[in-house]
Amino acid sequence: DAGVTQSPTHLIKTRGQQVTLRCSPKSGHDTVSWYQQALGQGPQFIFQYYEEEERQRGNFPDRFSGHQFPNYSSELNVNALLLGDSALYLCASSSRTGEETQYFGPGTRLLVL
Amino acid sequence: AQSVTQPDIHITVSEGASLELRCNYSYGATPYLFWYVQSPGQGLQLLLKYFSGDTLVQGIKGFEAEFKRSQSSFNLRKPSVHWSDAAEYFCAVGYGYSTLTFGKGTMLLVSP
Repeated sequence: DAGVTQSPTHLIKTRGQQVTLRCSPKSGHDTVSWYQQALGQGPQFIFQYYEEEERQRGNFPDRFSGHQFPNYSSELNVNALLLGDSALYLCASSSRTGEETQYFGPGTRLLVL
Repeated sequence: AQSVTQPDIHITVSEGASLELRCNYSYGATPYLFWYVQSPGQGLQLLLKYFSGDTLVQGIKGFEAEFKRSQSSFNLRKPSVHWSDAAEYFCAVGYGYSTLTFGKGTMLLVSP
């Protein structure tokens, strides 16, 4: 049974560019949450998707947007990248109707130059 | 607003010695409680969780944690640390599928 997968593993962008990160949830899970983990910090909640809609959002600007597809996979988009967006982006999946625990993927390391 | 405090940024333990990592939380009601472990450059692996019931919970890799409502604490313990336990440990609180609030983490170093 595959766990949560994320792609790409690493990414280098320059300021002002746009980036898309992808996540496939664990089998049987319908909810995807995204977190940003800056160096030396704990993960910070960005937003959560369920039934293809954003259900909850953390304290992140509108430059951060997302999408969930009918197969429950999800994308995180960041526009107008800033140096401060450099971080590890973690995707977590869970189930609103079954196992509520969030399981995390390996993350995508984004470096903005 | 909810918050999680892990007061120890770094802890060094000798291999074979016991370990306790501290976690205190501030939340509107008793939340679900989690401990995750992160090896360098990796994602988060769930060690254990508390939803309700017995306040002493067992996890993977020989870890356990005790929920103390009166102290708003959920400390992680292991009786004998192995070199492979060196990693960063995060305490998190939330309500199941809902958003998780994490502490800043405790880096565990294991000395020979």
